Amino acid sequence: RKEVEQDPGPFNVPEGATVAFNCTYSNSASQSFFWYRQDCRKEPKLLMSVYSSGNEDGRFTAQLNRASQYISLLIRDSKLSDSATYLCVVIPQGGSEKLVFGKGTKLTVNP
Amino acid sequence: EAGVTQFPSHSVIEKGQTVTLRCDPISGHDNLYWYRRVMGKEIKFLLHFVKESKQDESGMPNNRFLAERTGGTYSTLKVQPAELEDSGVYFCASSQDRPVGSPLHFGNGTRLTVT
Repeated sequence: RKEVEQDPGPFNVPEGATVAFNCTYSNSASQSFFWYRQDCRKEPKLLMSVYSSGNEDGRFTAQLNRASQYISLLIRDSKLSDSATYLCVVIPQGGSEKLVFGKGTKLTVNP
Repeated sequence: EAGVTQFPSHSVIEKGQTVTLRCDPISGHDNLYWYRRVMGKEIKFLLHFVKESKQDESGMPNNRFLAERTGGTYSTLKVQPAELEDSGVYFCASSQDRPVGSPLHFGNGTRLTVT
C-alpha cells in the first residue's frame, strides 16, 4: 500500500464549481499534513497546511480525519487559475522532515 | 529575496555518462533537500542536509548518486554512471531550521533525460 494515495483524477469542472479532493495516508503516526499545488512543468508550491480542527484560506478548505487517516481539500467558486495538479503531502513521523507525496490530482477549470 | 535556483534546467545525456546537478538554496536556509519525480510516479525524497551534514539519505536510490554540500551553502547531486531509469525531474528545496515542518521552497527542477 502506498504511503499517500489520492484520487487519480483528472477533474474537469466549469468556473464557479465546487470541487473536492481526497487523500488517505497509511502511517497512523503521521504528524503533519499539507496540500501543495504544482502547475505544469513548475515546482510544487505550498497551498496550505492541514490542521486537526480543519482550516480555511479564502476559497480553500482543508480537513483532516485522523481516525480514518483521511485528508480533504475543498475548492469553492473555482477559477481558471486554479487549474493545476494538487498534491497531498504528509510528514510520516515526528522528528522527520521528509515529505511524502501523493501522485497528485489534476484539476482543469473550464470557462 | 531570490528563490531556490537549480542548474541546469534541462540535461540530456547518454547512458553511462556523468551528470552533476546544482542547487542554490535561499540564503540562510540551513535545510536543503533533494527530491525526484520519475515519469508516472510521485515525487520522492532523496536526501536532506542540515548545513553541510547529511541528516537523512534514506531515499538515495543507490551508490551511483552522490550528494554534497560543502560549506553548507550550495549543493550538488552527481549521478555516475547514469542509467535510463534515472530520467526524471530533480527538485531541490530549502527551508529555515525551525519549526519542523517549516514551508519548503522548491526550485524549478532539473529535467534529466538519459538516452
